[in-house]
Amino acid sequence: SYELTQPPSVSVSPGQTARITCSGDALPKQYAYWYQQKPGQAPVLVIYKDSERPSGIPERFSGSSSGTTVTLTISGVQAEDEADYYCQSADSSGTYEVFGGGTKLTVL
Amino acid sequence: QVTLRESGPALVKPTQTLTLTCTFSGFSLSTSGMCVSWVRQPPGKALEWLALIDWDDDKYYSTSLKTRLTISKDTSKNQVVLTMTNMDPVDTATYYCARIHRESIVGPDAFDIWGQGTMVTVSS
Repeated sequence: SYELTQPPSVSVSPGQTARITCSGDALPKQYAYWYQQKPGQAPVLVIYKDSERPSGIPERFSGSSSGTTVTLTISGVQAEDEADYYCQSADSSGTYEVFGGGTKLTVL
Repeated sequence: QVTLRESGPALVKPTQTLTLTCTFSGFSLSTSGMCVSWVRQPPGKALEWLALIDWDDDKYYSTSLKTRLTISKDTSKNQVVLTMTNMDPVDTATYYCARIHRESIVGPDAFDIWGQGTMVTVSS
């Protein structure tokens, strides 16, 4: 079955830039989405269609795509950004949804 | 305002069948492009997509769980029901329902609105 691969953890100091990658063979064909999940809360969409930001999401969140890898970038990380981040996409046929394994962002 | 809310038992026994209901408001599942999906998350683990039903009553299931899952909708009640058979302790998780709108500006596969989730524990 189709898989999306993320690093388990990323650590940055406040004010630095955090980059979280997500790799999958179908990513050149299918859009990627990113979700932020804080403890005890439901996920929240922070990036859609690879690089677009929903209204209400701070400008420090951005997304990019290159081949089979998409990247979530958080510029000027703040303590409130500490959370788990998940990428999500569809398989090459567009039939099945899939989530990455999640990345825990720690703000040192 | 779009909202979704999950409901169902907090505790089920091994081998039993789990039935969860997602009650939503602010949109209609008869509208072209609308879908409701189920996602689960075991404690401390990652999100896992389970199933999706769309406005045309097409149904899609996780390949690893498809033999155990059934998704259905009641458009008049604004509800989507997920059943999972032969429950096992490894199925202990928070179960979320979420909306996808295929024709939305956010893209054809974005889970744009989520319910709060319901925790299900499988134990004898």
